[in-house]
Amino acid sequence: RKEVEQDPGPFNVPEGATVAFNCTYSNSASQSFFWYRQDCRKEPKLLMSVYSSGNEDGRFTAQLNRASQYISLLIRDSKLSDSATYLCVVTPLIDNYGQNFVFGPGTRLSVLP
Amino acid sequence: DTAVSQTPKYLVTQMGNDKSIKCEQNLGHDTMYWYKQDSKKFLKIMFSYNNKELIINETVPNRFSPKSPDKAHLNLHINSLELGDSAVYFCASSQDLGWVSDTEAFFGQGTRLTVV
Repeated sequence: RKEVEQDPGPFNVPEGATVAFNCTYSNSASQSFFWYRQDCRKEPKLLMSVYSSGNEDGRFTAQLNRASQYISLLIRDSKLSDSATYLCVVTPLIDNYGQNFVFGPGTRLSVLP
Repeated sequence: DTAVSQTPKYLVTQMGNDKSIKCEQNLGHDTMYWYKQDSKKFLKIMFSYNNKELIINETVPNRFSPKSPDKAHLNLHINSLELGDSAVYFCASSQDLGWVSDTEAFFGQGTRLTVV
């Protein structure tokens, strides 16, 4: 089983749609959780961190359920510019020293006009 | 002004050659990483250094040798390149706060290596 798993995608949605991404992780000792975005032929960039209480940034809402080891990302009113691959990232602590950013395989989103 | 910069951006080379990729970060971070993104776009960690000390060394062939002359630099040297080494290699850095969570990783623009 992969450490971090995501919806296989791709998701093709019309502009204005709401789209949800799901992610599960296997290491219960994971410390931090993020959603990254990667545009074609570019480096991954942080979209948002994910907190246990849930957090929102404009049209983006992230949720974390530690008991279920599940993370989600909701995008409302999707824009053409949201088209990218969304990467779920988990950081298990390494022997209480340093961290490792473990990436999921990513889910590609295409927002269509 | 680039926070994490790596060179070169593109590298085309023949099988059997030795090549290096350089990475520098000006963020004052303690930890640097090398990731490999293969043709299936999966990002997998190769190495992690914290203050010049090797922390993570995933199952990577011995032909890959990271070198960290100081905490702002982490270079990757690859010996005897093989076709399967073709991929995009990303350098990244983060601030190690020990047990404190929520420190993001910043990535370089990537080096697209093609072995022919």
